[in-house]
Amino acid sequence: GENVEQHPSTLSVQEGDSAVIKCTYSDSASNYFPWYKQELGKGPQLIIDIRSNVGEKKDQRIAVTLNKTAKHFSLHITETQPEDSAVYFCAAMGFGNEKLTFGTGTRLTIIP
Amino acid sequence: DSGVTQTPKHLITATGQRVTLRCSPRSGDLSVYWYQQSLDQGLQFLIQYYNGEERAKGNILERFSAQQFPDLHSELNLSSLELGDSALYFCASSVDRDQTQYFGPGTRLLVL
Repeated sequence: GENVEQHPSTLSVQEGDSAVIKCTYSDSASNYFPWYKQELGKGPQLIIDIRSNVGEKKDQRIAVTLNKTAKHFSLHITETQPEDSAVYFCAAMGFGNEKLTFGTGTRLTIIP
Repeated sequence: DSGVTQTPKHLITATGQRVTLRCSPRSGDLSVYWYQQSLDQGLQFLIQYYNGEERAKGNILERFSAQQFPDLHSELNLSSLELGDSALYFCASSVDRDQTQYFGPGTRLLVL
């Protein structure tokens, strides 16, 4: 089955700097890659997603890049703000396989 | 607010007991997914229903079962509870298969 690895497990950045979180997946048939943000006591909130026919997608300060050959995808947050502090999860879904396989999460802390 | 609702928010029970968790998907969504989030296992897919029928099974124990009703709400039944079942249980919904999943706020289960 699919296996998703996520790095780093913790990340601290100065407010205003950029943060990058990386994930690799094992199943070359995977074609959908969402990123979720989870704040304390809340459910995962979708922040951006990308499908395998696209190499990059951007939404304001958040961007995701996908390298299908290397089987990895990354989340980029620019101009970080204190409210970006949370746990971020990447996930992958294979074609015809409707379950999401999640990475282990990255705890992002923005230092004011 | 994702539009997915879950009840109850918190549940405390004893080993050996049975509980039922309830999920109402976003209006118009046909697919419902259940996930378990624990500290040592991360976010794990349990089971998926689509328009009342079971579509996919993940790491769901035989003591656990679920169903989706004609009004599309879903219930997850956990029986013969053990200490290790203590976790956050999330429901997610999507319009159709292979589409973006939106998560509810979760039910925190504590088994004593």
